[in-house]
Amino acid sequence: AQKITQTQPGMFVQEKEAVTLDCTYDTSDQSYGLFWYKQPSSGEMIFLIYQGSYDEQNATEGRYSLNFQKARKSANLVISASQLGDSAMYFCAMRVGNAGNMLTFGGGTRLMVKP
Amino acid sequence: DSGVTQTPKHLITATGQRVTLRCSPRSGDLSVYWYQQSLDQGLQFLIQYYNGEERAKGNILERFSAQQFPDLHSELNLSSLELGDSALYFCASSVDPGQGSGNTEAFFGQGTRLTVV
Repeated sequence: AQKITQTQPGMFVQEKEAVTLDCTYDTSDQSYGLFWYKQPSSGEMIFLIYQGSYDEQNATEGRYSLNFQKARKSANLVISASQLGDSAMYFCAMRVGNAGNMLTFGGGTRLMVKP
Repeated sequence: DSGVTQTPKHLITATGQRVTLRCSPRSGDLSVYWYQQSLDQGLQFLIQYYNGEERAKGNILERFSAQQFPDLHSELNLSSLELGDSALYFCASSVDPGQGSGNTEAFFGQGTRLTVV
């Protein structure tokens, strides 16, 4: 079975600073994908970034980067230059290669950006 | 806008009733997934359809059922509703059936917030 753990229920960050949201995963499969989603207070799930298990380089998408450490089974999200609009819930998720396209989600981290 | 449309956005109903949630996937996407987000269970996968056929099943209650129609829209039917069924129900879609770990991220709709009173 797959499991995603997000150990930070809530975090504060000062506007314009960088913040790292932690995510560890557990799977025995070699082929998997890791995702981060943002859920603002309005409720929708917004895809942020993806990392495949065979990707050698860390994924980056604008201000988002994924710090992928395969041996440690961690996939931390780094948000650079935080903005007030980054305040939201953030979910780490995993998809295992041969188990369909469904995602297993972590419990989420609530990020609050202070002006 | 993800391109995935869910209706209705909000639904309030009484215990014991039956409701139908509707999802239109992104144009060209053949896979539809249903997820439930509740305070106690978090985000859980319920069921996946690919091109009209059930593809994978998660922790979906027997009181719940789903189907995908020839035009690829999907409906999630919830019956004999209980207070604990109150949750945000998401539909997501992707183009592939889910073989391999490629970056075909699932695009999520805005969700249907179900309140059972």
